[in-house]
Amino acid sequence: AQTVTQSQPEMSVQEAETVTLSCTYDTSESDYYLFWYKQPPSRQMILVIRQEAYKQQNATENRFSVNFQKAAKSFSLKISDSQLGDAAMYFCAYRSAKIPNRDDKIIFGKGTRLHILP
Amino acid sequence: DTGVSQDPRHKITKRGQNVTFRCDPISEHNRLYWYRQTLGQGPEFLTYFQNEAQLEKSRLLSDRFSAERPKGSFSTLEIQRTEQGDSAMYLCASSLISGNTIYFGEGSWLTVV
Repeated sequence: AQTVTQSQPEMSVQEAETVTLSCTYDTSESDYYLFWYKQPPSRQMILVIRQEAYKQQNATENRFSVNFQKAAKSFSLKISDSQLGDAAMYFCAYRSAKIPNRDDKIIFGKGTRLHILP
Repeated sequence: DTGVSQDPRHKITKRGQNVTFRCDPISEHNRLYWYRQTLGQGPEFLTYFQNEAQLEKSRLLSDRFSAERPKGSFSTLEIQRTEQGDSAMYLCASSLISGNTIYFGEGSWLTVV
């Protein structure tokens, strides 16, 4: 069974600085997707960034980028130029890309609460 | 496309009562998921549907829980004889079979008193 581990329950970063959130996962599959979701205090889960395992290039979305190390099963999120609106819980998540896929669910880590210090 | 919508957003009920939550997925999304999330934890998978077929159920889904998606569109999650341990946020999400991203609704908060 796949697992996702986020070892940092909380982190803080000064506004405008850069912060990296860590995530490791365990799977025996070779094809899968990895995600970072953000859940602000309003509680709706919002997709931040997505990475396909078959792509070597790290995904980037504006100030958000990932460091995907497939062999190490590591998937960290870097937030540049942190803003007050980035304060939220961040969840790392895994989804199999196997087709057909009856075992289709996203598996989440326990989350990292990110505080932005003004 | 109005996103995944859930109703009600908040529900307070007495222990022993039944509650039902409704989820309307993004139109044309074949797959619909239910998750449960407690404070400070990540979402835990409960069940998912492909069209009207319920393909997987977590062992977290006790006999008191039942989910349906009768016409392959909206879904309901019913909890019978609620217990205090059922207090949580119930998240609904949807995706295309061919899509690689799951989109979440705002969740339905349940408080059992």
